[in-house]
Amino acid sequence: EADIYQTPRYLVIGTGKKITLECSQTMGHDKMYWYQQDPGMELHLIHYSYGVNSTEKGDLSSESTVSRIRTEHFPLTLESARPSHTSQYLCASSDLRGLPPNTQYFGPGTRLTVL
Amino acid sequence: AQSVTQLDSQVPVFEEAPVELRCNYSSSVSVYLFWYVQYPNQGLQLLLKYLSGSTLVKGINGFEAEFNKSQTSFHLRKPSVHISDTAEYFCAVSENSGYALNFGKGTSLLVTP
Repeated sequence: EADIYQTPRYLVIGTGKKITLECSQTMGHDKMYWYQQDPGMELHLIHYSYGVNSTEKGDLSSESTVSRIRTEHFPLTLESARPSHTSQYLCASSDLRGLPPNTQYFGPGTRLTVL
Repeated sequence: AQSVTQLDSQVPVFEEAPVELRCNYSSSVSVYLFWYVQYPNQGLQLLLKYLSGSTLVKGINGFEAEFNKSQTSFHLRKPSVHISDTAEYFCAVSENSGYALNFGKGTSLLVTP
C-alpha cells in the first residue's frame, strides 16, 4: 500500500479564490507528479519534480503552480480559480533510485469544483 | 512519441464471466507497460507491469496481461470477474529511456449479477 496523501478530497469554491491542493508522501520518493483527470479522459501530466527545488511543467498547459521545498511535500496552487479548473487532480510519486521503470504510486485525488 | 489506445470505453460483463480489456500502444523504442485500476472516488492503484522477460504478467486480484510485441498490445484478462472488480482501468506506457508515463483514456468495467 502506497503512502501518499492528498487534501482536501473534495473542494467546492467560488471563482477568483486562491486555492492550494496538498500532496504528501512518506516513501522518500524523489520524483513527484500532478495529473489532471477529466471524466472519460486520460490523465494529463501538468507538473512534475525531480527533487527539492526542482519543478517542471508537464505535457498539458496549466495555470497552476507548484513548489517543492521538502522531499515529502508537493503542493499545487491556483492563484485565481475559474470554472475551467473544475477537474480531478491526482498526485503521484516514484523512486528515482536504480533503473527505470517508472512505477508511480498515486494518492486518492482531489475533486475540485469551481462555481 | 508514444501513445496508448484503449479500444473499449465501457465493458459490461456478468459476474463470474471472463473479461478482456484491450490496450494497444505505439512507440518507436522498447517500452514498459502498466495497468492501473481506479475504484470510485479513489486514486490509481497498480495492477501489474511488464518490464522484460516472460510476456505473461500476473498481477493482483487475479488479473493477468500478455505483452505482444508484434501486435503492440498489452491486453488485460481475468478468467472470472467479481462485482468488486467494477472500476476504471487504465493502460499506461513508459519508454525505456525516460520516466514519463502516457495513459490511455481508460475502460470502465461494469460487473453485474
